[in-house]
Amino acid sequence: GAGVSQSPSNKVTEKGKDVELRCDPISGHTALYWYRQSLGQGLEFLIYFQGNSAPDKSGLPSDRFSAERTGGSVSTLTIQRTQQEDSAVYLCASSLSGGASMDTQYFGPGTRLTVL
Amino acid sequence: AQSVTQLGSHVSVSEGALVLLRCNYSSSVPPYLFWYVQYPNQGLQLLLKYTSAATLVKGINGFEAEFKKSETSFHLTKPSAHMSDAAEYFCAVTDSSASKIIFGSGTRLSIRP
Repeated sequence: GAGVSQSPSNKVTEKGKDVELRCDPISGHTALYWYRQSLGQGLEFLIYFQGNSAPDKSGLPSDRFSAERTGGSVSTLTIQRTQQEDSAVYLCASSLSGGASMDTQYFGPGTRLTVL
Repeated sequence: AQSVTQLGSHVSVSEGALVLLRCNYSSSVPPYLFWYVQYPNQGLQLLLKYTSAATLVKGINGFEAEFKKSETSFHLTKPSAHMSDAAEYFCAVTDSSASKIIFGSGTRLSIRP
């Protein structure tokens, strides 16, 4: 079946512009996660959606970052007034359910964001 | 807060040699531990997952990891490296509430012919 998809695969933008990154999770997965992978570093948790519950936004690095998940499916990560330090690969993952069950997370291919 | 440390950002072994990638977690025992692999130009995929059912966990592609509470370690091993094992490997743990995963900084594994 179809896995997690992300678009665009690559995004180059100018400093100060806003960007939107999209994630389509696996159908039926109630949990969705966003991570950031900077060069030479591990994955940094950003935000977690579980069903209709309020998202866990504890990993968002600043108020320039926001995310929403419409209809419990597609999610959009928005970065406002991008800075060069925002350059990274943004990964999305989904799992059948989240929380203590910790079902396997399936990752998308990522969006490589470059801020000039 | 939970944390995970991967010793060695780059490991190089000869084809056929033992692979050992080290991972240590912070002192409190996390609910779950994982190893993920990221092949070049591909997304992350789960290699194996520890859930306290057994201390030795077998994963895909001949990899296994042993949970050692006394050493706060979860090292990844494979008896005989193959060229196709060249990839980035990430150790990860859940936070105390098991609601999210905390990743290590990764170890790049290279295989010499």
